[in-house]
Amino acid sequence: QVQLVQSGAEVKKPGASVKVSCKVSGYTLTQLSMHWVRQAPGKGLEWMGGFNPEDGETIYAQKFQGRVTMTEDTSTDTAYMELSSLRFEDTAVYYCAKAAANALPFSPDYYYYMDVWGKGTTVTVSS
Amino acid sequence: EIVLTQSPGTLSLSPGERATLSCRASQSISSSYLAWYQQKPGQAPRLLIYGASSRATGIPDRFSGSGFGTDFTLTISRLEPEDFAVYYCQQSGSLLWTFGQGTKVEIK
Repeated sequence: QVQLVQSGAEVKKPGASVKVSCKVSGYTLTQLSMHWVRQAPGKGLEWMGGFNPEDGETIYAQKFQGRVTMTEDTSTDTAYMELSSLRFEDTAVYYCAKAAANALPFSPDYYYYMDVWGKGTTVTVSS
Repeated sequence: EIVLTQSPGTLSLSPGERATLSCRASQSISSSYLAWYQQKPGQAPRLLIYGASSRATGIPDRFSGSGFGTDFTLTISRLEPEDFAVYYCQQSGSLLWTFGQGTKVEIK
């Protein structure tokens, strides 16, 4: 059974960067498609990006393009999300989530959904 | 980007009542690409429904999903006390995934 264990809470100053980790157990990271979702206080869920197994590329939401980098260390089965040039409005809980794949009916292609989630990492941006 | 609009924003119901939550997409998507999640305060989201109508492992059969094209529905047939939470729809039909803004189901 897959489990995702995230790193602890962070407090950062505006303009700094934060790197959140997500360690996988029960699977190897190369078998997974990892995504990142954040939630500002009292707000809804916001997809930040994730790995697209169709072409092996990482896709980022337009809002975070140029500021976010998602990487993986397969030697430790750990995924990372780094967000730079932090602003007060980046204060949020950041979740990693594994995407499951199912075959589309009558097609060689797949569809995806996030079936296992980490518990979240709180990032606070404060001066 | 596909925009998902959920309604209503808040649903006030009593235990035992039926809840009907709506999710409308800004453009047509295959039903395979629509999922629903439940989130309780202080917890990570939990997958309820994938492929618009398939229940995730361990999800009670009082939860059901339906719909196609641009209109999707999550139905909770008889609300249990543990079902009062926020529900989100999410699409993976485009490269850029998106969530709806959520529907809060609260105790009346």
